[in-house]
Amino acid sequence: NAGVTQTPKFRILKIGQSMTLQCTQDMNHNYMYWYRQDPGMGLKLIYYSVGAGITDKGEVPNGYNVSRSTTEDFPLRLELAAPSQTSVYFCASSLGTSPAEQYFGPGTRLTVT
Amino acid sequence: QKEVEQDPGPLSVPEGAIVSLNCTYSNSAFQYFMWYRQYSRKGPELLMYTYSSGNKEDGRFTAQVDKSSKYISLFIRDSQPSDSATYLCAMNVFSSGSARQLTFGSGTQLTVLP
Repeated sequence: NAGVTQTPKFRILKIGQSMTLQCTQDMNHNYMYWYRQDPGMGLKLIYYSVGAGITDKGEVPNGYNVSRSTTEDFPLRLELAAPSQTSVYFCASSLGTSPAEQYFGPGTRLTVT
Repeated sequence: QKEVEQDPGPLSVPEGAIVSLNCTYSNSAFQYFMWYRQYSRKGPELLMYTYSSGNKEDGRFTAQVDKSSKYISLFIRDSQPSDSATYLCAMNVFSSGSARQLTFGSGTQLTVLP
């Protein structure tokens, strides 16, 4: 099993550009999550999904969109990139049954200039 | 006040030392408590989890939960340079209808010096 994979690993965007961060898991997990991690700030939940076709906002959803058309994929869309979106983005997945430990991808480092 | 507080460090110890990492929390509904380890420029990986109060041991690692004090700890015995990483605590509420969201601490950066 590859676990959770994310692409790209690194990206530099100009202000106002858009992009999609890709996330795929092969563990047949129902639950998937997107986090951002800023230095010294821990992980903040952007969006999550409890299954194909079902998504919901987390703590910091503004400026992002998601979709979940399959169990495996959970892409994160950035529209009109802003410098405040410079961060490391992690995708995670879990079974959903307690304790619901989450498995993380390697992350995407995004810089918006 | 944050729901989960964690001392960010940095914490630097000599090889072989016993390390104590801690988190406090305010939500008494939390029931599952986890520790993640995150190496530099990598994603977090689950180290261990505990349910409710008590201790759990896994090799050199011991997780301890004191729900009465809303305090959790991770002890690392005989610390090694390979233990150098950021350690994040995380916790969630058991609920059949929830999305199993985790609340994370901000992480403690640990360096074990050879």
